[in-house]
Amino acid sequence: GAVVSQHPSWVICKSGTSVKIECRSLDFQATTMFWYRQFPKQSLMLMATSNEGSKATYEQGVEKDKFLINHASLTLSTLTVTSAHPEDSSFYICSARWTRNTEAFFGQGTRLTVV
Amino acid sequence: AQSVTQLDSQVPVFEEAPVELRCNYSSSVSVYLFWYVQYPNQGLQLLLKYLSGSTLVESINGFEAEFNKSQTSFHLRKPSVHISDTAEYFCAVSDSGGSYIPTFGRGTSLIVHP
Repeated sequence: GAVVSQHPSWVICKSGTSVKIECRSLDFQATTMFWYRQFPKQSLMLMATSNEGSKATYEQGVEKDKFLINHASLTLSTLTVTSAHPEDSSFYICSARWTRNTEAFFGQGTRLTVV
Repeated sequence: AQSVTQLDSQVPVFEEAPVELRCNYSSSVSVYLFWYVQYPNQGLQLLLKYLSGSTLVESINGFEAEFNKSQTSFHLRKPSVHISDTAEYFCAVSDSGGSYIPTFGRGTSLIVHP
């Protein structure tokens, strides 16, 4: 299957700082990328959908000024958590697909801990 | 809009026993159905999917799922589990009309005991 790489796998940052998470499609052009958040023992919550070259579409309740998503190329999307707080600590997962493909491929996730 | 219900949050089972993880969905449109597996601190891996055709789909590692339209179910089964099958399993549904954005169930933790 297609490969999606997410970096870093884990990150610890201080409260008030910003942290960037990268999601790359390694062997295909990702026209659409998705960002999810997962709390312990819970399902994936879709945060936003981004199409290459367009502004991301955020799900209700997700602060777009706090979770900045950029999808500047067909192989890279970034999620920046700005002014992070301990409640932002979570597991963040990206997925990507190409046009008309019925399946999205997932990155390995990023464990963010804000201290 | 679609929704997915995974009735069991946790399923303990002994090694080599059969297992069934239940998944029911609701949707007003035609759907695609998926099962994903997640190992600790990792992303999701596709286990199997139903898009069309035969209602029984199989994975390479012995899992199978059957799409039952009348019961709106897509239960996952394996006749004999291994310790290595211990993981979190997510059922997902997406509309077949073009957006393909999956909606996930809350997950079922399969715990295989020796």
